[in-house]
Amino acid sequence: KAGVTQTPRYLIKTRGQQVTLSCSPISGHRSVSWYQQTPGQGLQFLFEYFSETQRNKGNFPGRFSGRQFSNSRSEMNVSTLELGDSALYLCASSSARTGGRGSWVQEAFFGQGTRLTVV
Amino acid sequence: SQQGEEDPQALSIQEGENATMNCSYKTSINNLQWYRQNSGRGLVHLILIRSNEREKHSGRLRVTLDTSKKSSSLLITASRAADTASYFCATDAIASGGSYIPTFGRGTSLIVHP
Repeated sequence: KAGVTQTPRYLIKTRGQQVTLSCSPISGHRSVSWYQQTPGQGLQFLFEYFSETQRNKGNFPGRFSGRQFSNSRSEMNVSTLELGDSALYLCASSSARTGGRGSWVQEAFFGQGTRLTVV
Repeated sequence: SQQGEEDPQALSIQEGENATMNCSYKTSINNLQWYRQNSGRGLVHLILIRSNEREKHSGRLRVTLDTSKKSSSLLITASRAADTASYFCATDAIASGGSYIPTFGRGTSLIVHP
């Protein structure tokens, strides 16, 4: 079974630009979550999509957005990039959604991440 | 602020020794998970322990959960150089609006010297 695939692996962008990252989950998984990892803040939850709907959202500004397609592939977009957006962006897929009582009892499978550098 | 906080931040041991990492969290949880991350790469799931469980084993890994103290520990026995990585605990913290979001600690960096 193929794992979670994130593209591209590395990206360098200039301040003010926008960027789109892609995540292909494990076949059959309908939940895709996105995380930002930085040395200072650690792993921060961005949002989760389940069956093309955003179900949960972390505490990030509106410049961070995402979507999920009918085949469960997900994209994350960051507009008007800032230097502080430099980070490793990880996506994780799961067979269960994260929201709701008694949720998140399934393990999440992570991709290798996209290393974004904003200069 | 982080829901889970690992302790110690860094741990350096010799191959063959045991490594113990601790995680403390603030709010009640349904379950807690431990992940490993090799340098700059994705996270690998190690073990999930539910709130009604006290101990769980997986190979050389032993996880305990004490909900009264809001803490968990991860023990790696007979460590190997390949265990060198960062280890994170993650809990399902309640977000505003009542839904659960996964929340990770800052991690323990483990170095195992051959």
